[in-house]
Amino acid sequence: DTEVTQTPKHLVMGMTNKKSLKCEQHMGHRAMYWYKQKAKKPPELMFVYSYEKLSINESVPSRFSPECPNSSLLNLHLHALQPEDSALYLCASSLSGRYEQFFGPGTRLTVL
Amino acid sequence: QKEVEQDPGPLSVPEGAIVSLNCTYSNSAFQYFMWYRQYSRKGPELLMYTYSSGNKEDGRFTAQVDKSSKYISLFIRDSQPSDSATYLCAMENSGGSNYKLTFGKGTLLTVNP
Repeated sequence: DTEVTQTPKHLVMGMTNKKSLKCEQHMGHRAMYWYKQKAKKPPELMFVYSYEKLSINESVPSRFSPECPNSSLLNLHLHALQPEDSALYLCASSLSGRYEQFFGPGTRLTVL
Repeated sequence: QKEVEQDPGPLSVPEGAIVSLNCTYSNSAFQYFMWYRQYSRKGPELLMYTYSSGNKEDGRFTAQVDKSSKYISLFIRDSQPSDSATYLCAMENSGGSNYKLTFGKGTLLTVNP
C-alpha cells in the first residue's frame, strides 16, 4: 500500500480564519513533507520532517505552521493567510531521505 | 542555467503513438531520478525511480538515464488517452540535503483517441 491521504480535499477560508490541513500515511515512512503547488508549476518544498523532527524549513512565512504529532501524521496549521496563498497543498512521504517520495492527492486551498 | 530543464510542451499525439519525454540537468551531483505523472488537480503519482545510468522498464513505460550527457528520458509505448497528464521529472542529490527534490517544469501531454 503506497497511499498518502489528505483531508480536507477542498478548503475555502477567509484571511482571518485559522484552519488545519491533515496528512496520514501507514507505510512506516519516517520522512514527511509539505509542498505548495501553483497552477502549471512544479511543487515547491515547504517543510520536511524526519523522524518526527523538523528537518527543513524553506523560509516559509510564519502564517504556515507545521506539526508532526507522530510518525504517521503531519499537520499544517494555517492562520491569517493571504489570497496569494491559494494553491494545491501536497503532502508526501518517503522511507527516509534518498528514497522515492509518494504524494497524497492534495488539498485545494482558496483564500478569500 | 536552470538545474533541470524540461520542455513544457504541450505535446499532442494520436493514440498508439510512442511518446518521448526528456529532461536535461546541469548538476552532476544528481544521482536519483524520478518521473511523476500528475492529472489535472490531483497529486503527482510516482511512475519510475532510477539510480544508475541505463534503462528501466515497467509495462508500457521505460525510463532511461544517461549520466554522461546529463539527460533522462521517459518513453511511453502504445500511448492511451488515459496517459493524458502532466509529466514531471525530479532529481535528488546523493550528498548534502538528500530530502530535496529538484523538479522540471513538467510536460503537458495529450493523447488523442
